[in-house]
Amino acid sequence: QAQLVQSGAEVKTPGASVKVSCKASGYTFSNYGISWVRQAPGQGLEWIGRLNTYNGFTDNAQKFQGRVSMTADTPTSTAYMELGSLKSDDTAIYYCARRSRITGPTGYYYYYMDVWGKGTTVIVSS
Amino acid sequence: QSVLAQPPSVSGAPGQRVTISCSGNSSNIGNNPVNWYQQLPGKAPKLLIYFDGLLPSGVSDRFSGSKSGTSASLAISGLHSDDEGDYFCATWEDRLNVVLFGGGTKLTVL
Repeated sequence: QAQLVQSGAEVKTPGASVKVSCKASGYTFSNYGISWVRQAPGQGLEWIGRLNTYNGFTDNAQKFQGRVSMTADTPTSTAYMELGSLKSDDTAIYYCARRSRITGPTGYYYYYMDVWGKGTTVIVSS
Repeated sequence: QSVLAQPPSVSGAPGQRVTISCSGNSSNIGNNPVNWYQQLPGKAPKLLIYFDGLLPSGVSDRFSGSKSGTSASLAISGLHSDDEGDYFCATWEDRLNVVLFGGGTKLTVL
């Protein structure tokens, strides 16, 4: 069955960068995109961005512009999300999720996150 | 405060039916399908409903979704104690080009 396994917890100081990995198995990696979502302690879900694992195209929320990089290593079926210039309010659980799609009645594609990793805790503290 | 409005909490007794609403506008729910995610305590989110009302394989048919205009709803029938957790709606926001999540609704089974 499809599975996403994420890297372990990280503790970083303000201003540093963190790189989270997400290894896929049980499906053809390049046939599905990867989304990244985070959840601050006691808070809701926040979308960071999306990665097309076939062509490397990325798209992210404006608030992360210039700070986030999402990449894919197809031979190892692994996606990466690197977030730089860390601040204390970047402390959160970071999730990767497989991006599946359905074709709507007009032929347009619509996406949903159908397989999730267990999350990677990132703590930013001095 | 999320652009997609959900009630902070709902509750129901075992066996009862509850609904969770998700309200948006014409640039998100009004123009794009809604997905619902369940997050049990200490766990990662799980896809519950996609494309407004479709059930992924393996998800109980006690869960159902619907949409009308700029609002969507998740219904849970035959409540179980292990349904307790947080429920989030999500959809694409055309003006901001982002996936928007609702603020989440905490379900308590009395």
